[in-house]
Amino acid sequence: NAGVTQTPKFQVLKTGQSMTLQCAQDMNHNSMYWYRQDPGMGLRLIYYSASEGTTDKGEVPNGYNVSRLNKREFSLRLESAAPSQTSVYFCASSPVQGQNYGYTFGSGTRLTVV
Amino acid sequence: TQLLEQSPQFLSIQEGENLTVYCNSSSVFSSLQWYRQEPGEGPVLLVTVVTGGEVKKLKRLTFQFGDARKDSSLHITAAQPGDTGLYLCAVPHRSSARQLTFGSGTQLTVLP
Repeated sequence: NAGVTQTPKFQVLKTGQSMTLQCAQDMNHNSMYWYRQDPGMGLRLIYYSASEGTTDKGEVPNGYNVSRLNKREFSLRLESAAPSQTSVYFCASSPVQGQNYGYTFGSGTRLTVV
Repeated sequence: TQLLEQSPQFLSIQEGENLTVYCNSSSVFSSLQWYRQEPGEGPVLLVTVVTGGEVKKLKRLTFQFGDARKDSSLHITAAQPGDTGLYLCAVPHRSSARQLTFGSGTQLTVLP
């Protein structure tokens, strides 16, 4: 099925550990995004990539890095995990950047940092 | 921070009832989107509205964009348990249309 695939679905990390969240889309979309979702705070943008080869910071980029590996894949890395990074992480893509194009989201990665 | 308020935060109703949820701001937007998110899944786009006063219908769901393009409402007629979910509105970020800003959502539960 076409869409956005995220791995892993669940992860528990110890404080200070590192990990990479993977995201891939097969819709030939140009733009990709990483959001985190916390109770009562909605979805907040961490980083986005307008097109292959470009990345930009969103609202809450501290503690994260990203790589747009190719047009299909956009990964999110936590170099030294902190309990404040416990959250549900969503990757999304859209055909082009622009407010009238809806995002397609993956099913999320639930991360717990202890 | 761009403020996008959704109300109510929680809503629990019986199957067959009608309901309206709201998305409000003091800012003017060029467009607004509504998403529905089911437990354990990512949000799914329902509709995009772009013109002040615009009304769009999706089966039993009616979406309206305010005349001044500062607010929007979602009305569900004869709610069903399958309508249960988190309803999110989203608008272009005020400093960059490349980003979407999301409200914190209305959690709707429709009881059978």
